[in-house]
Amino acid sequence: EAGVAQSPRYKIIEKRQSVAFWCNPISGHATLYWYQQILGQGPKLLIQFQNNGVVDDSQLPKDRFSAERLKGVDSTLKIQPAKLEDSAVYLCASSLAPGTSGSQETQYFGPGTRLLVL
Amino acid sequence: EDQVTQSPEALRLQEGESSSLNCSYTVSGLRGLFWYRQDPGKGPEFLFTLYSAGEEKEKERLKATLTKKESFLHITAPKPEDSATYLCAVNYYGQNFVFGPGTRLSVLP
Repeated sequence: EAGVAQSPRYKIIEKRQSVAFWCNPISGHATLYWYQQILGQGPKLLIQFQNNGVVDDSQLPKDRFSAERLKGVDSTLKIQPAKLEDSAVYLCASSLAPGTSGSQETQYFGPGTRLLVL
Repeated sequence: EDQVTQSPEALRLQEGESSSLNCSYTVSGLRGLFWYRQDPGKGPEFLFTLYSAGEEKEKERLKATLTKKESFLHITAPKPEDSATYLCAVNYYGQNFVFGPGTRLSVLP
């Protein structure tokens, strides 16, 4: 079974530029998550999608970050304009069905996109 | 605010030297506790899920246990390939996963 795919793997941009990340979840997973992981810290949830609807975006800096999941499959996370403090790894994860017990709510992660803002 | 803490921050072991990692959480509507392993430059890899106090899960040299306030990840006779950052995440009712900061484990040959 193919895992979560993300691209690009690395990105270097200058502050105030824009950047976009792409994620394709595991086939059949209805729920998709975007996390930000700053060096030395655990992942922090930015946004959760259930199919193509937003379930939780309470920690998404909406003045500069946006995300969409058209057609309920792959997703794009955008930052515009980028700041120095946005340098981090952006992780995408997917799960079958959150809020249930058992393996259906386990989140499976992609390799991440490493962003460096200069 | 619900919090997840992990200790120690970093741990260095000799190959074969068993030890335990700790994950503590505030007690308010825990649905499940998850352990992940993260290698440098990679995304977290799922290890275990625990749902109720007293539950235990095992995989090779790893065993995860859960009490009402904390979870332990026991590593028995570790090998250098067990070196990684171990993350725990807590799933609270009505909330999404909250990750701890992780424990960086180094196993020296």
